[in-house]
Amino acid sequence: GDQVEQSPSALSLHEGTGSALRCNFTTTMRAVQWFRKNSRGSLINLFYLASGTKENGRLKSAFDSKERYSTLHIRDAQLEDSGTYFCAADSGGNYKPTFGKGTSLVVHP
Amino acid sequence: EAAVTQSPRNKVAVTGGKVTLSCNQTNNHNNMYWYRQDTGHGLRLIHYSYGAGSTEKGDIPDGYKASRPSQENFSLILELATPSQTSVYFCASGDAGRQDTQYFGPGTRLLVL
Repeated sequence: GDQVEQSPSALSLHEGTGSALRCNFTTTMRAVQWFRKNSRGSLINLFYLASGTKENGRLKSAFDSKERYSTLHIRDAQLEDSGTYFCAADSGGNYKPTFGKGTSLVVHP
Repeated sequence: EAAVTQSPRNKVAVTGGKVTLSCNQTNNHNNMYWYRQDTGHGLRLIHYSYGAGSTEKGDIPDGYKASRPSQENFSLILELATPSQTSVYFCASGDAGRQDTQYFGPGTRLLVL
């Protein structure tokens, strides 16, 4: 089965609200990355975590290797946050992450 | 800022034809990767490389070859393109020593008719 299970697959938010995306791992991961694919198709690196939490503006991410999950919290969602979000996790050795299937986020006015 | 470029950005190919996708990075990163991204599958690793002269099979290598002639360049080759290879292809580079991020190219849209 998939090593990285990402949920939800789709998410709709009104401007100003927030929610959380989650990735569960079927094996112990050493690190996780979160990306956003924007409307032009570019992949934007949001976070890299080997443990704990990181925050950047309205985004906050957490990674728990022992419990095998990572989350990405979005607060005060804006229209420009729309896009597809991916997590990617690495189980060790030379860095070769496995991606989740993505969460398609649409932020409505 | 890391710079990874891909060419072409868009490509239409015929079934059975040969397609070469090129990737160039100016960051002196050891590692480079080729992914394809399809709806419902996320990004899947096709081939990767640890440095010039090295190529390794990823999770879905069938139907693809790779070439790493130099630190800067990593190519993905479809010798006999098939419609199932219609996808968006992303190249990425990363520093094996730091392992703290991957830098992605803008993507190549490939349509195989």
